[in-house]
Amino acid sequence: DTEVTQTPKHLVMGMTNKKSLKCEQHMGHRAMYWYKQKAKKPPELMFVYSYEKLSINESVPSRFSPECPNSSLLNLHLHALQPEDSALYLCASSQVGGGLANTGELFFGEGSRLTVL
Amino acid sequence: ILNVEQSPQSLHVQEGDSTNFTCSFPSSNFYALHWYRWETAKSPEALFVMTLNGDEKKKGRISATLNTKEGYSYLYIKGSQPEDSATYLCAFRRMEYGNKLVFGAGTILRVKS
Repeated sequence: DTEVTQTPKHLVMGMTNKKSLKCEQHMGHRAMYWYKQKAKKPPELMFVYSYEKLSINESVPSRFSPECPNSSLLNLHLHALQPEDSALYLCASSQVGGGLANTGELFFGEGSRLTVL
Repeated sequence: ILNVEQSPQSLHVQEGDSTNFTCSFPSSNFYALHWYRWETAKSPEALFVMTLNGDEKKKGRISATLNTKEGYSYLYIKGSQPEDSATYLCAFRRMEYGNKLVFGAGTILRVKS
């Protein structure tokens, strides 16, 4: 069983809709990530939060708006998306710092499959 | 631009065959190399995190090696089983990139019984 939970597993939305993807972890990790993956392509980093602050934004269009309300939760708010935004959105978490004990390993959820009509 | 290349793109083998795949990455400012296994409809799970040139890691029938000077890592599976069928992703972290992991597109392995 994954320790990173993503909801919903599937989402279909129109280009004028507003929706959100949610991610939750209870491993005490203080870094959380959003990746986007299209078929047969590498997962692409979108955002990283470290200690609930946005630390990396990979020039993601503003129609994607991340939010980290607390150390366990990560949201991705979606508005005015385009059909080309259809993809699998993966959430992950990891430890931060910790010296040699921290391998930097990412713990992933199963993803949210988004279809934009 | 940071590119991680994996080959082959896909592989079909018979049960009992041994196999290996390659991950190539930029060799400058290396920090860590990760291997993940991703079964269909599940979440990617870490197999190995490797940080030192010459590292060799092993977990059961799966092992990996790392050459940071030339920028490649090999993943080996000995005696493949149907349950090894998955996509194997490698990911590279550069020293100055903090928490940023850059992934390859993966190698899809299908093991036929």
